[in-house]
Amino acid sequence: QVQLVESGGGVVQPGRSLRLSCAASGFTFSYYDIHWVRQAPGKGLEWVAGISYEEHNKYYADSMKGRFTISRDNSKNTLYLQMNSLRAEDTAVYYCAKRDPGYNYALDLWGQGTTVTVS
Amino acid sequence: SYELTQPPSVSVSPGQTARITCSADALPKQYAYWYQQKSGQAPVLVIYKDTERPSGIPERFSGSSSGTTVTLTISGVQAEDEADYYCQSGDSSRTYVLFGGGTKLTVL
Repeated sequence: QVQLVESGGGVVQPGRSLRLSCAASGFTFSYYDIHWVRQAPGKGLEWVAGISYEEHNKYYADSMKGRFTISRDNSKNTLYLQMNSLRAEDTAVYYCAKRDPGYNYALDLWGQGTTVTVS
Repeated sequence: SYELTQPPSVSVSPGQTARITCSADALPKQYAYWYQQKSGQAPVLVIYKDTERPSGIPERFSGSSSGTTVTLTISGVQAEDEADYYCQSGDSSRTYVLFGGGTKLTVL
């Protein structure tokens, strides 16, 4: 089954750290760029970060630079997001999503999300 | 970067046509994508490259582009189409992803 499954969310105090994971299955993970997108309660989608298929290129939204680090382990078919110095405004559902060149680099496959609460 | 502007809400009756716009405030315009997000669910891609529809997406969903504005059109709206819709674009080098603020489609 083609899917992405996020994990690692939870309740964390301000200033602390958390690492999210995104496990891929059903497709060749190492072929695709993968991104993190978040959604605060009652708000819209906000892009967080992205990483190229071979991990050579990493991109971040300005508000996340310096605090968040995206990485991947293609041998484990897993994407990560290390979040440091967490703030209340980081409270959100975090989704991972695959970017597919076959769909002109649209985000064609999303996980179900993992919830992070900073409080 | 630039911004993508969507109307906060659109309301239509069943069977009518819903049109949701997304305007970029800068040129050149990159290709746009549309996602449907139903309550409590992850987003689903419904249109890519301005006008293309992924397999499995009903034909009543279509996209168009004119200048710096793209439009998602849902013909013959059904109750199940009630959702939030987001446009998305980025830069030609794919170094960032940009979402519009989202439009809540209400089926009356």
